[in-house]
Amino acid sequence: QAHLVQSGSELKKPGASVKVSCKASGYTFTSYAMNWVRQAPGQGLEWMGWINTNTRNPTYAQGFTGRFVFSLDTSVSTAYLQISSLKAEDTAVYYCARGEGHSGSYYHRYWGQGTLVTVSS
Amino acid sequence: QSVLTQPPSVSGAPGQRVTISCTGSSSNIGAGYDVHWYQQLPGTAPKLLIYGNSNRPSGVPDRFSGSKSGTSASLAITGLQAEDEADYYCQSYDSSSWVFGGGTKLTVL
Repeated sequence: QAHLVQSGSELKKPGASVKVSCKASGYTFTSYAMNWVRQAPGQGLEWMGWINTNTRNPTYAQGFTGRFVFSLDTSVSTAYLQISSLKAEDTAVYYCARGEGHSGSYYHRYWGQGTLVTVSS
Repeated sequence: QSVLTQPPSVSGAPGQRVTISCTGSSSNIGAGYDVHWYQQLPGTAPKLLIYGNSNRPSGVPDRFSGSKSGTSASLAITGLQAEDEADYYCQSYDSSSWVFGGGTKLTVL
């Protein structure tokens, strides 16, 4: 049974950076891509992109280029999301989710518990 | 504004049957891409409910079922229970991106 555990809540000032971690266990980390999903307060789910855990190649969804970086440390089965130059509108819960399937049918079977990032002066 | 449209809310009494629609277009559901459904209980992470249009992961009760036709998909919940009160999201693929519907809040009366 796969398990994803994310780092704890963060409170940051505008302009700062934050790095959220997502530690995987219960499966071979490099066998599945890792996705990131954002949920702003009271809003729906928004797919941010994914990272190929074999090639380390990230793909960013529209609206998540420039300040958002996906990375990996495969030695500890951990994926990271770094957001720089934080803005108030980055306040949200960020989820990692293990991708499964193929391009015509791709879904997120396992999810981390979420990390709340609050940006406030 | 998502390319997958869901009703903002639905409601039903315990024991009743409710359906939640997910309407897309020829660039996503209508192009043959599968639809998946997630349940998000208050204050928790989303949980995969239905994958590949109509398949249930192990542990998901058979009260939950999914279907797809043309440019739309539906999630049906029979024998509604109080613990089904949650937000429900559909997900598919569109224009090189995986997309979620706007979400539907299910209220059990």
